[in-house]
Amino acid sequence: DTGVSQDPRHKITKRGQNVTFRCDPISEHNRLYWYRQTLGQGPEFLTYFQNEAQLEKSRLLSDRFSAERPKGSFSTLEIQRTEQGDSAMYLCASRSPGTSGVNEQFFGPGTRLTVL
Amino acid sequence: GDSVTQMEGPVTLSEEAFLTINCTYTATGYPSLFWYVQYPGEGLQLLLKATKADDKGSNKGFEATYRKETTSFHLEKGSVQVSDSAVYFCALSDLNTDKLIFGTGTRLQVFP
Repeated sequence: DTGVSQDPRHKITKRGQNVTFRCDPISEHNRLYWYRQTLGQGPEFLTYFQNEAQLEKSRLLSDRFSAERPKGSFSTLEIQRTEQGDSAMYLCASRSPGTSGVNEQFFGPGTRLTVL
Repeated sequence: GDSVTQMEGPVTLSEEAFLTINCTYTATGYPSLFWYVQYPGEGLQLLLKATKADDKGSNKGFEATYRKETTSFHLEKGSVQVSDSAVYFCALSDLNTDKLIFGTGTRLQVFP
């Protein structure tokens, strides 16, 4: 168990470019969550997967955002036509299935996106 | 919708001082409550949790009690250390999806 990993850790891009982030959850964790954290704020929920199914998307997730988890393992988050307002830390978390009374999410280190 | 409100920081204390960080929540039903901590340059880590009313979560000398009557989950520590300097987030989990709803975070600075 090596924890949740995210790649890249930092991404600098120009406005209008597309970016893709990857998250590798803890193995056998069936739920995977994406959050966004801007400076001075707490993380905000974006979307989550149970296995390969995307079950909920926040209204924060505009049409420019898409997330996938094709085989129920790793997940990708793509942002098309980036805007300066997309600059934030993107966090991934995973959770094990239904351990009794315990619903802890384990967080990755995050991908810091800067849009110039 | 569900929400979490926590006291603004920064909170500045001397080593060995008593710490309280207030957290209140609004939710339908009885969610699980959490405190997460973010040390400088590191990711979010779970500090403690409580899953039902009157539960007390504790870890590393920190405690918080799930108070249904006041919808609160205040974080306390009797004697802080310099190494406790970090940002602390209060959060609740949605009953159906387990997605977390966070407060804005409180920065704690402890000086020797």
